[in-house]
Amino acid sequence: AQTVTQSQPEMSVQEAETVTLSCTYDTSESDYYLFWYKQPPSRQMILVIRQEAYKQQNATENRFSVNFQKAAKSFSLKISDSQLGDAAMYFCAYKRGAQKLVFGQGTRLTINP
Amino acid sequence: GAGVSQSPRYKVAKRGQDVALRCDPISGHVSLFWYQQALGQGPEFLTYFQNEAQLDKSGLPSDRFFAERPEGSVSTLKIQRTQQEDSAVYLCASSFTGTSGGLEQFFGPGTRLTVL
Repeated sequence: AQTVTQSQPEMSVQEAETVTLSCTYDTSESDYYLFWYKQPPSRQMILVIRQEAYKQQNATENRFSVNFQKAAKSFSLKISDSQLGDAAMYFCAYKRGAQKLVFGQGTRLTINP
Repeated sequence: GAGVSQSPRYKVAKRGQDVALRCDPISGHVSLFWYQQALGQGPEFLTYFQNEAQLDKSGLPSDRFFAERPEGSVSTLKIQRTQQEDSAVYLCASSFTGTSGGLEQFFGPGTRLTVL
């Protein structure tokens, strides 16, 4: 079965600085998708960024980018120019085809003003 | 509505009571997923529908959990004889099609169930 591991339960960063959240996963498949979701306190989960495993180029969305290392099964999220609104739980997730998302345990990100 | 909605947002049940949680997916979305999120944890898959067909129910923790989507739109997750370990946030998500793996799942706000 596929598993997703986030080894950092909590992270903090100064406003305007850069932070990287780590994620590793385990799968025997070659074709899959990886996601980072953001869950603000008492608010719903929203997609931050996604990566198709067949693409070598790392995905970017404005201040958010990933470092996808397929051989190492690593998928980290970099947040540049951190803002107070970035404070949330961040979940790494794996998906194959049209199937379920498999989530990691989450990393709580705090932004210090 | 523009997004996935869930009702009720909060539910308190006494141990042994039955509860029903509703999910209204985004109009036209074929796929619907239910997840259970314990406090401080990541969501865990419960079950998946494509239209009215329940294609995967491998995550349902016991036969006390039952889900349906009879007309391929609104879905209800029912929990019979609730136990304290059922206390969690129940998340519903929908996506446009079941045929493309990359398409985003849109999440509802969740129903927080507390079993006393």
